[in-house]
Amino acid sequence: DAKTTQPTSMDCAEGRAANLPCNHSTISGNEYVYWYRQIHSQGPQYIIHGLKNNETNEMASLIITEDRKSSTLILPHATLRDTAVYYCIVRVGHNTNAGKSTFGDGTTLTVKP
Amino acid sequence: NAGVTQTPKFRILKIGQSMTLQCAQDMNHNYMYWYRQDPGMGLKLIYYSVGAGITDKGEVPNGYNVSRSTTEDFPLRLELAAPSQTSVYFCASSSLSSGRDNEQFFGPGTRLTVL
Repeated sequence: DAKTTQPTSMDCAEGRAANLPCNHSTISGNEYVYWYRQIHSQGPQYIIHGLKNNETNEMASLIITEDRKSSTLILPHATLRDTAVYYCIVRVGHNTNAGKSTFGDGTTLTVKP
Repeated sequence: NAGVTQTPKFRILKIGQSMTLQCAQDMNHNYMYWYRQDPGMGLKLIYYSVGAGITDKGEVPNGYNVSRSTTEDFPLRLELAAPSQTSVYFCASSSLSSGRDNEQFFGPGTRLTVL
């Protein structure tokens, strides 16, 4: 599985959009981009994923560049409860080798009042 | 559904002791995983399983063993505990038919200290 690079930390003002970048320059054609977050010491929580097209759900939007070498997770109106560590990972979606994936150290997002 | 459950929540072991961390899921997921997370770090994959009777090593398998006799359960065995195994252990599961392309569901974690 391709590895990812994320900034160590970011701050965001409450109510503003939080834009979290991720580089995955060695991504393969059959690998999806997944985003998870981990609040305090809880288990990570799925946010969103995509292959080529931009995606949006009730939690966030995912923008993937045309060459698929990077992506951005957007939290449109960040709240204090969005303070967490955000992980960007790439992995195969539909494959028996989908077991292996690497969680890097993630980005610690701090939403400030 | 209870989702992914893990027991115990906390445990303190002495060096050289053994224990089994339990993980169960009630979502009929075929894939299950064990991760460890050291303080301030990301998750590292220890072992994973793609179905009952099938397991494979992840990034950091040394010092651990797993088995998968049923779809629901995926216990992690620590033999001869060492201080380096002090960590938080997360179990996760996923399914190709989950509708979310292999989204992983995580348990609450087991906090293990080896003294």
